[in-house]
Order: sequence, then structure tokens, then C-alpha cells
Amino acid sequence: AQSVTQLDSQVPVFEEAPVELRCNYSSSVSVYLFWYVQYPNQGLQLLLKYLSGSTLVESINGFEAEFNKSQTSFHLRKPSVHISDTAEYFCAVSEWAAGNKLTFGGGTRVLVKP
Amino acid sequence: GAVVSQHPSWVICKSGTSVKIECRSLDFQATTMFWYRQFPKQSLMLMATSNEGSKATYEQGVEKDKFLINHASLTLSTLTVTSAHPEDSSFYICSASVPGVSNEQFFGPGTRLTVL
Repeated sequence: AQSVTQLDSQVPVFEEAPVELRCNYSSSVSVYLFWYVQYPNQGLQLLLKYLSGSTLVESINGFEAEFNKSQTSFHLRKPSVHISDTAEYFCAVSEWAAGNKLTFGGGTRVLVKP
Repeated sequence: GAVVSQHPSWVICKSGTSVKIECRSLDFQATTMFWYRQFPKQSLMLMATSNEGSKATYEQGVEKDKFLINHASLTLSTLTVTSAHPEDSSFYICSASVPGVSNEQFFGPGTRLTVL
């Protein structure tokens, strides 16, 4: 069975500073990987995803994540955060053969301070 | 594209009553929809997978008779919380998958249920 671990439950960071959110997964088969963002009292929005190909994937708002198969990781980074990046971030994994079923990590709350 | 809506966005009900939550895919047909439950400051827990025209598949520990799921069409799935109790208070989120799009799910905005 697959599992996802987000090592940091909370990450406080100053505005314009870089941030890294760590995500490790466990699976015996090939997987698709996702990062979702959730703002208060809202649903989840897809931030970026890794399906195949280049191991470095980028979002339109400056986030990037790198798939590392040997370390079974998919860490999310942003070189310079904004106040508006304050949110909950979820890493998720889906096994190729498991249909569209997602397994989520515990989430990381990012608090950007001025 | 790929917009999912939920209705209502919040609901308050008395203990013992039933509440129905709707999940709609607005601009695509979703053969599969998912229902999640999220407690405050926690992650999403998958409750069930709903396939159009067939019975839902429930995750271990989720009471089928308590959480009734109906996926009557390719754009609508409903979750009915029967005989709700305060411990059922939670944030319920649905998602829908797009056929042929690799395992990606599109999420609704969620429904906040408060049972008094």
C-alpha cells in the first residue's frame, strides 16, 4: 500500500525568503505525484504534478518540485514567497494501476510573515 | 475547464436529521467521483469512491449505511449523512476525475457540516 509523509507540519517563513516543503512517499509500483494547495475553508487546488518525463516540474506561480525516484521524494520549493502563499499544502500520490485513487500526506501549513 | 461545485457550502442541522450534499462536475463528465472528510488542521481522508451507475466503494471504517452515496449521472454525485450526530461535524470535500487524464482529480470547494 502506498503512503505519503510530509515531514513538516508547519513552516513559518518570512516574505521573500525561500521555502521548501518536504514530501516522501512509499510505493511498490510506479506513481504519479501531486502537490495541492488549500486556502482556508476552501477545496484543494492543483499546484503541480509529475506524471512522467522531466523530473523537475513547475507551476505558473513560481513553485517547483523535483521527483527523486531513488529517494522516493517530491519536495516542493519556491525561491521567494509572498504573503498570499500562506496556506496548507498537501502532497499526494496515485499508483499507476490504482485508477485515480489519491493518498494524501498530512499537510504542511505555510505561514508567511511580513 | 474541469470545474467541480458542491452544494451547500455550509449546513447546520440538528442531531438525528439527515443532510444531503451535492457534487457536480460543471464542464465535463466524471465517471468517478470521490468523497473525502477533513477534520480541522488535518489531512483529507478518503471515504468512498463513487462510480456512475454502480455502488460506491467505501474505505475501511466508513459506515455505508451512515454515509449514503449516489452517483446517478456522469455529472452528479450525492452524499447523504443519515441520522447525523455532532461527531459527524466536519468538512466534506468531493472530487472528480477526468477520463483519460492521468489520475488527476479536480476538487470541489467543500461543504462545512455542523451538527448541533
